[in-house]
Amino acid sequence: KAGVTQTPRYLIKTRGQQVTLSCSPISGHRSVSWYQQTPGQGLQFLFEYFSETQRNKGNFPGRFSGRQFSNSRSEMNVSTLELGDSALYLCASSLGARGTDTQYFGPGTRLTVL
Amino acid sequence: GESVGLHLPTLSVQEGDNSIINCAYSNSASDYFIWYKQESGKGPQFIIDIRSNMDKRQGQRVTVLLNKTVKHLSLQIAATQPGDSAVYFCAETRGTGGFKTIFGAGTRLFVKA
Repeated sequence: KAGVTQTPRYLIKTRGQQVTLSCSPISGHRSVSWYQQTPGQGLQFLFEYFSETQRNKGNFPGRFSGRQFSNSRSEMNVSTLELGDSALYLCASSLGARGTDTQYFGPGTRLTVL
Repeated sequence: GESVGLHLPTLSVQEGDNSIINCAYSNSASDYFIWYKQESGKGPQFIIDIRSNMDKRQGQRVTVLLNKTVKHLSLQIAATQPGDSAVYFCAETRGTGGFKTIFGAGTRLFVKA
């Protein structure tokens, strides 16, 4: 079974632009979570989706948004990029609706904002 | 605020020795804890988990201990190998009807041959 895939793997943008990142979960998984990883802040939870509904959200500004499609694929969008948005963005999928379902992570998208 | 923290940022051990990585969490309502391993250029990889109604769980060469009284979590790796060199994160999952996973700062484990 294929793992979680994220595209693109690397991205360079300039301040003020917007970006869309994509995540394809493991087949059959219905929950997708997004995380931001930086050397200074570590791994921080962005949001979690299940059956196209955002069920939980971390402490990030409204510039960060996401959505999930009926096939469980998910996208996250960051508008008006700032230098501090440079990070590794990780997506994780899990089978069902419970927090105790094991999350499987993708390799991440490395975003650099210049 | 919400936090799951680690006592030591780096740990260096000799190959074959046992490793112990510690973690403190802040929310006594958390009911599920996980250890992840992250190698360079990869996403975190699940190692072992434990629910709050347990105090110990063993896997292959790994043991997780949970002390709810002092809100402390530890990961023990037996007979540490060079392939164990990575950053280890503890995490807690909270919520019902939707969840969020809070990660600790991470501990880098170096295994000396």
